[in-house]
Amino acid sequence: EAGVVQSPRYKIIEKKQPVAFWCNPISGHNTLYWYRQNLGQGPELLIRYENEEAVDDSQLPKDRFSAERLKGVDSTLKIQPAELGDSAVYLCASSPTEGYNEQFFGPGTRLTVL
Amino acid sequence: AQSVTQLGSHVSVSEGALVLLRCNYSSSVPPYLFWYVQYPNQGLQLLLKYTSAATLVKGINGFEAEFKKSETSFHLTKPSAHMSDAAEYFCAVRRTDSWGKLQFGAGTQVVVTP
Repeated sequence: EAGVVQSPRYKIIEKKQPVAFWCNPISGHNTLYWYRQNLGQGPELLIRYENEEAVDDSQLPKDRFSAERLKGVDSTLKIQPAELGDSAVYLCASSPTEGYNEQFFGPGTRLTVL
Repeated sequence: AQSVTQLGSHVSVSEGALVLLRCNYSSSVPPYLFWYVQYPNQGLQLLLKYTSAATLVKGINGFEAEFKKSETSFHLTKPSAHMSDAAEYFCAVRRTDSWGKLQFGAGTQVVVTP
């Protein structure tokens, strides 16, 4: 069984540029999560989807971040424009259902904003 | 509100020695507790979880953790460290009445010396 797939793995951009991250969850997993992990810290939830519905986006900085999960399968997280403080690892995770007691994580996208 | 505190951002152990990683939590309702491991440039992998069954939980790779309600702790141990245990370890908590949202600690980096 394939795991959570994320691309790109690394991205370097200049500030004020847009950037997008893509995630394909494990097949059949209805719940999808985006986390941000700053250097030396644990992951922090940005947004959680149940199928195509964003059920928790309270931590998503909506002035510059957006996300979508069309058709309830893969998802895209976008930042526009990027700021220096956005440099972090962006992790995607999925689980079979909301509240299932294990989240399966992808390898992450390491973003560097110059 | 809930939070997780991991004592010690870095731990160095000798190969064959006991590994002990400390985690304390606060939660206003009974929690579910998790330990994840993150190898360099990889996503997080679940080591073990406590979901209100047995208080001593055994996980993968020889790790185990004990839930102590009176001490609000969920420390991770392994009797004999192996070189392959070098990684970062994260403790996480989820409220039993909150679907999906994990609160992570800041992580403990484990270094194993020969």
